[in-house]
Amino acid sequence: LAKTTQPISMDSYEGQEVNITCSHNNIATNDYITWYQQFPSQGPRFIIQGYKTKVTNEVASLFIPADRKSSTLSLPRVSLSDTAVYYCLVGDFNQGGKLIFGQGTELSVKP
Amino acid sequence: GAGVSQSPSNKVTEKGKDVELRCDPISGHTALYWYRQSLGQGLEFLIYFQGNSAPDKSGLPSDRFSAERTGGSVSTLTIQRTQQEDSAVYLCASSDPYPLAVRRTDTQYFGPGTRLTVL
Repeated sequence: LAKTTQPISMDSYEGQEVNITCSHNNIATNDYITWYQQFPSQGPRFIIQGYKTKVTNEVASLFIPADRKSSTLSLPRVSLSDTAVYYCLVGDFNQGGKLIFGQGTELSVKP
Repeated sequence: GAGVSQSPSNKVTEKGKDVELRCDPISGHTALYWYRQSLGQGLEFLIYFQGNSAPDKSGLPSDRFSAERTGGSVSTLTIQRTQQEDSAVYLCASSDPYPLAVRRTDTQYFGPGTRLTVL
């Protein structure tokens, strides 16, 4: 499982776009990049997953450069309710398998 | 549909006592996971079930910890002779693994957790 590095914390204001970058220099060919979100006193929740280029869903976008050694989670127009810890995970979780969570990025959105 | 449920939501126990934590996964999910999260820390993997079998127990911190799953559904995590360092939130997750031919990784759905406090 590839090790990931992401900022410990970030601050933003309501309405801004937030980009959280995760580095994963040792990503393997079969590895996917997955992001989870965790609110206080709740379990993590899947946000988005990608392999290469760009993935977009109703919540976020995920940008992955050609070398796949990093990825950027983009949250458009954040609100106070987006205040949470965001985890970047890299691995081949096909057919099941444990998730290795790092420290995550604590995002604080201010009014 | 119903998500992953865990019980109890909170458990306070005295050092040395045994505790049982329960997880009800999403119906039909064959994979089940236990993690724990200490205050201000990330999640720590404990054990993974596929059906009733546990192919990965590598995260269990000591032989005081055990888990079982019956009928491919409910799972129980048991901690014997609890210690203060066992205090944490214990999270359960389940997933429905994609067939190998489908090149996607599984999404794990987490329950709300059980907060265990050992006095």
